[in-house]
Amino acid sequence: EAQVTQNPRYLITVTGKKLTVTCSQNMNHEYMSWYRQDPGLGLRQIYYSMNVEVTDKGDVPEGYKVSRKEKRNFPLILESPSPNQTSLYFCASAGTDRTDTQYFGPGTRLTVL
Amino acid sequence: GDSVTQMEGPVTLSEEAFLTINCTYTATGYPSLFWYVQYPGEGLQLLLKATKADDKGSNKGFEATYRKETTSFHLEKGSVQVSDSAVYFCALTPYNFNKFYFGSGTKLNVKP
Repeated sequence: EAQVTQNPRYLITVTGKKLTVTCSQNMNHEYMSWYRQDPGLGLRQIYYSMNVEVTDKGDVPEGYKVSRKEKRNFPLILESPSPNQTSLYFCASAGTDRTDTQYFGPGTRLTVL
Repeated sequence: GDSVTQMEGPVTLSEEAFLTINCTYTATGYPSLFWYVQYPGEGLQLLLKATKADDKGSNKGFEATYRKETTSFHLEKGSVQVSDSAVYFCALTPYNFNKFYFGSGTKLNVKP
């Protein structure tokens, strides 16, 4: 089954404790992306990757890091989480054709205390 | 910069009513336009898309037409069902396909 998986689905942590949210896709997609969803703001893009070893900033990259060492994986790293990073996070993947559908993961609910 | 503006919700309708959710955009060149739907507790899934001016995207009774003259991509459905209750997002990707921009989402509640 074609899918995007994220782990963990729920995470409660404390300020400053480094964490990683994993994302994996099995569709051989070149394009992968991270979004955060906040009430009233919709989805905002954090980082995206056009292919292995190619990453770029979205609209809200501050406080986040990503890496793309393999095509299927695109982890999101919060080196020193802060309460304003409490949010619902989605990973997505797509082919590189501009009309391609983005496939979204189920989301990770992160709370930073 | 590029952006998407959609009508605020929530929108509450009775079953079989006509639905319109407005979406307008700002972009250079010719972006591709999308409507995504999010059911409670789930990720987003593509509802329909249009890639050039005057294209009409359609799926599951929903339609939207890419209007470049009014920079709009309004979502319509002739007769909504309770199962259509969800949050709907309008989105665009620019002609050179690097970023995606989403609207703030419109929550639809359909009552029996």
